[in-house]
Formats: sequence, C-alpha cells, structure tokens
Amino acid sequence: AQSVTQLDSQVPVFEEAPVELRCNYSSSVSVYLFWYVQYPNQGLQLLLKYLSGSTLVKGINGFEAEFNKSQTSFHLRKPSVHISDTAEYFCAVTRGGTYKYIFGTGTRLKVLA
Amino acid sequence: KAGVTQTPRYLIKTRGQQVTLSCSPISGHRSVSWYQQTPGQGLQFLFEYFSETQRNKGNFPGRFSGRQFSNSRSEMNVSTLELGDSALYLCASSNGQGGEAFFGQGTRLTVV
Repeated sequence: AQSVTQLDSQVPVFEEAPVELRCNYSSSVSVYLFWYVQYPNQGLQLLLKYLSGSTLVKGINGFEAEFNKSQTSFHLRKPSVHISDTAEYFCAVTRGGTYKYIFGTGTRLKVLA
Repeated sequence: KAGVTQTPRYLIKTRGQQVTLSCSPISGHRSVSWYQQTPGQGLQFLFEYFSETQRNKGNFPGRFSGRQFSNSRSEMNVSTLELGDSALYLCASSNGQGGEAFFGQGTRLTVV
C-alpha cells in the first residue's frame, strides 16, 4: 500500500521569497508522483508530474520538484512566489496503470504582501 | 479542448434522500475516477472506471455506487444520504494509459 505525508499543513511566506513544500511517500512498488493545486471552490489543477526519467521535474507557473528515491521525497519548490500562488497544494502518488491516487493532507500556502 | 464537466455544481439534499452526480470526461478519455473531499478526511478515492468497467474501488459503504456509459460519461449515486456525506465530489478524467488525471470543478453536496 502507498501513503503520502505532507509535513506542513500551513506555510506562510512573503511575496518574492522562495518556498519549499515537502512531500514524503512510502510504497513497495514503483510509483508515479504528482503535485496538484486547488484554489477556493475549485477542482484540482495539475502542477507537475514524475512518471520516469529525469528526477528534476518542471511544471507550470514556475514550480519544480525533485524526485528523490532514496529519501522517498518529492518536494515542491518555487524560487519566487506571488500573491496569486496562495492556494492549497496536494501531493499524490499512484502506481502505474491505475488512477487510484493517494493524496496527502494538503499544504496551505499563504503568500503575504 | 473542453475540460471535465461535472453537474450540478451545487446540490442540497435532505438526509435519507438519494443523489446522482454526473461527470463528462475530456473527449477521447476512457477513464473516469471519483474522489470525495472533506475537511476531516481530505481527498479519498471512491472508484475508477475504464471502458464501462470498474477497475478499482475505495473503502466506502455500498450506499456509494457508480457507473460509466459507452460514451465514457460517468455517474455516481449515493443512496440514503447521511449528514457526513456532505462534501466536494471530484471527478477526474484520463486516457487510461497511466499518467496524470484531469479534474473537474467538483459538485458541492450539502446534506441537511
């Protein structure tokens, strides 16, 4: 069985500062990893995904994440955040061939002016 | 390309009633999965359908059921509604070959 841990429930950060949202997973099989963002009263929007290949993954809106198999981590980073990045961010894992995602509990990113 | 469409967006039902939610996937996508999102339990997997067959099912009571039609549209049904069924129900569409799923805006169900 897989599981996902998002270590921070809330992360406040000032505008134009860098941010890292942490995600650790556990699985006995190879997995696919994802980061989704959710704005209030909206569905989930895919930020980026790791399926295979390069461990550094670049996504939309300037976000990137690094897959670290030895640390079983998939942390999300952005070098300079904007007010518009205020949202909830979810890390998810699944194994190949299925869309049964296991989600973390989410991290609320609040960007302060 | 149109995204995933969920109808209705908002719904208020009374305890004991039943409800049907609809999801139209992205054109060409054959896989549809459903999730329940609540403040207490977070995002939980309900079911996954591919070409009209249920491929996976989450740990929900039998009151929760779903189906997929030949045009890939999907419905989920909840019978004998309980207050705890109040949630945002999200549908996700994918090509069925692994990789990412694309989510709809969700249906906000309130049970009173």
